[in-house]
Amino acid sequence: GAGVSQSPRYKVAKRGQDVALRCDPISGHVSLFWYQQALGQGPEFLTYFQNEAQLDKSGLPSDRFFAERPEGSVSTLKIQRTQQEDSAVYLCASSPRGGSYEQYFGPGTRLTVT
Amino acid sequence: KNEVEQSPQNLTAQEGEFITINCSYSVGISALHWLQQHPGGGIVSLFMLSSGKKKHGRLIATINIQEKHSSLHITASHPRDSAVYICAVGANYQLIWGAGTKLIIKP
Repeated sequence: GAGVSQSPRYKVAKRGQDVALRCDPISGHVSLFWYQQALGQGPEFLTYFQNEAQLDKSGLPSDRFFAERPEGSVSTLKIQRTQQEDSAVYLCASSPRGGSYEQYFGPGTRLTVT
Repeated sequence: KNEVEQSPQNLTAQEGEFITINCSYSVGISALHWLQQHPGGGIVSLFMLSSGKKKHGRLIATINIQEKHSSLHITASHPRDSAVYICAVGANYQLIWGAGTKLIIKP
């Protein structure tokens, strides 16, 4: 497929478990973004990569959240010791150039923490 | 005050009606996005605008940079247009998001 893909699409975790969410951006896209969307809210910026460099992680809500993109392609968002307030849809977007606003979105991963 | 404000928050209309959703912003931007999100679905980018007007099928988006305002229009609306429509503005590399407009089109 030519679009951004994310896996899993749905994840249920017990409170305290660690989870890993994967994003496959469009091939060749330089920039990658992670957003968190709580129910009924708009997406909130989490972090931004340009190639493998994480240029901005100011939106990560706590040190339990960690994102990486080691080879400048696939990215993983890891949440340690999940809490109920982490329940949200996690969206990934990629764009073809650094700092570009032309963002292409994945379908999201819906995380439910019980 | 939010940096990006959309109106209305909710809109219910009959099939065939002309729909307008508005977006006002208070920050300097280089581009404005209109995006669509279906229930349980991901976000689809509809338009990216930096000036003027764009049209795609029954969708039209306009932007007035001086007035810091954009509108999304849907002509001949259809029940499959029911979704949340989100305005987001590009500032640096980040997008600043509006709260979304929930549109329901009744047959």
